[in-house]
Amino acid sequence: QSVLTQPPSASAAPGQKVTISCSGSSPNIGSNYVMWYQQLPGTAPRLLIYDDNGRPSGIPDRFSGSKSGTSATLGITGLQTGDEADYYCGTWDSSRNAVVFGGGTKLTVL
Amino acid sequence: EVQLVESGGGLVQPGGSLRLSCEASGFIFSDYSMSWVRQAPGKGLEWVANIRQNGGETYYVDSVKGRFTISRDNAKRSLFLQMNSLRAEDTAVYYCARGARRFEFWGQGTLVTVSS
Repeated sequence: QSVLTQPPSASAAPGQKVTISCSGSSPNIGSNYVMWYQQLPGTAPRLLIYDDNGRPSGIPDRFSGSKSGTSATLGITGLQTGDEADYYCGTWDSSRNAVVFGGGTKLTVL
Repeated sequence: EVQLVESGGGLVQPGGSLRLSCEASGFIFSDYSMSWVRQAPGKGLEWVANIRQNGGETYYVDSVKGRFTISRDNAKRSLFLQMNSLRAEDTAVYYCARGARRFEFWGQGTLVTVSS
């Protein structure tokens, strides 16, 4: 059971938009920045969104992040087949003194 | 180019020990906190531990406290994870990552299998 809750799967057609939610609580999402990671099949994760809504260099603006209260959302527009991957949210939990992750969302581009 | 290369994984019996290493290049290693993150086969990500730039402050996930020790050698640009009293549930790919809470770069991972 993960501290952060994500839907196990999401899907949308190429060119469409998808959102992935990440629900937490006051000590984690409510008090700290949220990161999003993309893990393509058979590869290491990579940072997609940092500090709720920042994009590292090289990440296209099709990817966006937002946060409200104790929930965060990853948005992907203009879906491509290459976006098929597992997506994880993560943040610091101030009550556990630990980084916590969501269980991951498997994105399928139909 | 930032590179993180893990080594030291392998097959170990329950109760055994293993020491993982991560060699960093392409950035000033001593300027950054570092972390270990693991992923059990077919499962999600689990943060294991982090260490501050000078090694003076460390944090661990509850399930490894007292068994694992994270350390670093800034002169050798290397990060370590000493794993003792290993259990079957420690079986995972272990990734080295740059950062304490924000993992900007990741290594390719090293597989640790705990089995008799």
